[in-house]
Amino acid sequence: RKEVEQDPGPFNVPEGATVAFNCTYSNSASQSFFWYRQDCRKEPKLLMSVYSSGNEDGRFTAQLNRASQYISLLIRDSKLSDSATYLCVVNNAGNMLTFGGGTRLMVKP
Amino acid sequence: DADVTQTPRNRITKTGKRIMLECSQTKGHDRMYWYRQDPGLGLRLIYYSFDVKDINKGEISDGYSVSRQAQAKFSLSLESAIPNQTALYFCATSDGGTGFPYQPQHFGDGTRLSIL
Repeated sequence: RKEVEQDPGPFNVPEGATVAFNCTYSNSASQSFFWYRQDCRKEPKLLMSVYSSGNEDGRFTAQLNRASQYISLLIRDSKLSDSATYLCVVNNAGNMLTFGGGTRLMVKP
Repeated sequence: DADVTQTPRNRITKTGKRIMLECSQTKGHDRMYWYRQDPGLGLRLIYYSFDVKDINKGEISDGYSVSRQAQAKFSLSLESAIPNQTALYFCATSDGGTGFPYQPQHFGDGTRLSIL
């Protein structure tokens, strides 16, 4: 079993749709969590950190469920520019990040 | 100017050659990392360093070595390149100060390496 698992997609949605991604992690001692966005052939860029209480940044909402060991990302009112791969990232004890394989989102006109 | 700079951006070379990838940063971060990314496998950690005299192996260090010449510089070497080291390589930095382990990592633009 992979340490961090994501549905690779692609998720194909129309503009304006709401889309949600989930990510599961296996290490119950994981300490911090992030969502990164990666455009094709570019570097990953931090989208948002994920806090235990959940957090929102504009159209993006992240949730953490420690009991079930999953993280979610909700994107409301999808834009064409949201098309990218979304990486779920977990910081485990030992100070290393573990990356999921990514979920690809394609927003269509 | 980019905060995390990688050179070269692209490199094509032959099996058996020695290759060095350079990373420099202006963010003032203590911690630096090298990753490789292969299609469908996500990013995997090769080596990381928390300070100038600190070097640690990551998940896939075999066939690679690193040097932390200064706080701002972290280089990755392939002593004798082989075709399965063809990948996209990323350098990253993070702040090891207040708030760790909650500090995210910041990535360079990547080096696309092809070994024939």
